[in-house]
Amino acid sequence: KQEVTQIPAALSVPEGENLVLNCSFTDSAIYNLQWFRQDPGKGLTSLLLIQSSQREQTSGRLNASLDKSSGRSTLYIAASQPGDSATYLCAVKGKSEKLVFGKGTKLTVNP
Amino acid sequence: NAGVTQTPKFRVLKTGQSMTLLCAQDMNHEYMYWYRQDPGMGLRLIHYSVGEGTTAKGEVPDGYNVSRLKKQNFLLGLESAAPSQTSVYFCASSSNRNQPQHFGDGTRLSIL
Repeated sequence: KQEVTQIPAALSVPEGENLVLNCSFTDSAIYNLQWFRQDPGKGLTSLLLIQSSQREQTSGRLNASLDKSSGRSTLYIAASQPGDSATYLCAVKGKSEKLVFGKGTKLTVNP
Repeated sequence: NAGVTQTPKFRVLKTGQSMTLLCAQDMNHEYMYWYRQDPGMGLRLIHYSVGEGTTAKGEVPDGYNVSRLKKQNFLLGLESAAPSQTSVYFCASSSNRNQPQHFGDGTRLSIL
């Protein structure tokens, strides 16, 4: 059974700092991995999707990497801003249609 | 750009009542999904559809039914609501299984 773990559960940083969020998964037989952000009381916004054949994806200040063999992904956020404050979720898709989600990392960027 | 729209946004039911949650997407996506999000449990897949007229069970399907009569709509039904179904329900869609899933803003459902 696929399990996804995100560490830390919460992170507080000063504005401008570069930071890394971690995601690990137990079954390396995945099709893709997706990073989302969720603002309080809102739905999920897709940030980046990495196919199993890819090593990384970039969008603006965000860079996500994937090491399938070790079951790890990282989301790098450069020059963090208060608007980046949200919960970040990692999810993996295997053979089934089910996306397996981690429980998220709650990020607070302090002005 | 509406994207994925869920109605209603909030609802309170009594145990044993029935209701239907509606999800509509305007992106012509083939795949649609229903999830529930509970504190400490994360998001879990209830049912999904890979195209008009198709439905399939996800991780936690018991107590729910779904229908996809039109490509743009995916309905989630609770026939006899139970307090354990108190949750936030999210609908999502994607163009195919390897594309990003786009989520609605959720329906907050309380069963008393």
